[in-house]
Amino acid sequence: NAGVTQTPKFRILKIGQSMTLQCAQDMNHNYMYWYRQDPGMGLKLIYYSVGAGITDKGEVPNGYNVSRSTTEDFPLRLELAAPSQTSVYFCATIKGAEAFFGQGTRLTVV
Amino acid sequence: GQQLNQSPQSMFIQEGEDVSMNCTSSSIFNTWLWYKQDPGEGPVLLIALYKAGELTSNGRLTAQFGITRKDSFLNISASIPSDVGIYFCAGSTEYNNNDMRFGAGTRLTVKP
Repeated sequence: NAGVTQTPKFRILKIGQSMTLQCAQDMNHNYMYWYRQDPGMGLKLIYYSVGAGITDKGEVPNGYNVSRSTTEDFPLRLELAAPSQTSVYFCATIKGAEAFFGQGTRLTVV
Repeated sequence: GQQLNQSPQSMFIQEGEDVSMNCTSSSIFNTWLWYKQDPGEGPVLLIALYKAGELTSNGRLTAQFGITRKDSFLNISASIPSDVGIYFCAGSTEYNNNDMRFGAGTRLTVKP
């Protein structure tokens, strides 16, 4: 049982490039979330989804897009990478009050 | 948006000492949660609190949901080296249960 799987684990992007961070879960949870964690900071909510076909903005959505075509997958898209998007990105599912996190994707934009 | 203020930012303690950290919010929260993050990993849930005044323990950890619903604390008793990590408070408000917010974290170092 893999839980929440994020790929890639590390990535370096040049300014203006685009990429998709993948997140997959095998727990059949409806709620999925994307957070970013800046150095020495807490987690900030980017986007979340309460089920397939439904997505909503979180606290810091600018510069990102998401889609939720299936229960299992919740990819996060960066269209024009900027240095301010250098961060560690965590995907999570939530059931009840408990969040289950992936291991994170460390993204550096240079 | 909802602000969570977590303190202290960091703590350096001796093995065996007790630890206390807390979170306050500008909004009323429906749930308070405490997570621990080990290096290179995602946060893992330690304790969940669901109603005002609730006091819950998990081994050496004790957490309380404040009466005003705007604060919570986490205590760790008799700290051990494996308690090292970053502790986060989190919660969701009465306005949107789907929007879980996190505090900035308390970085705990335990000296043997």
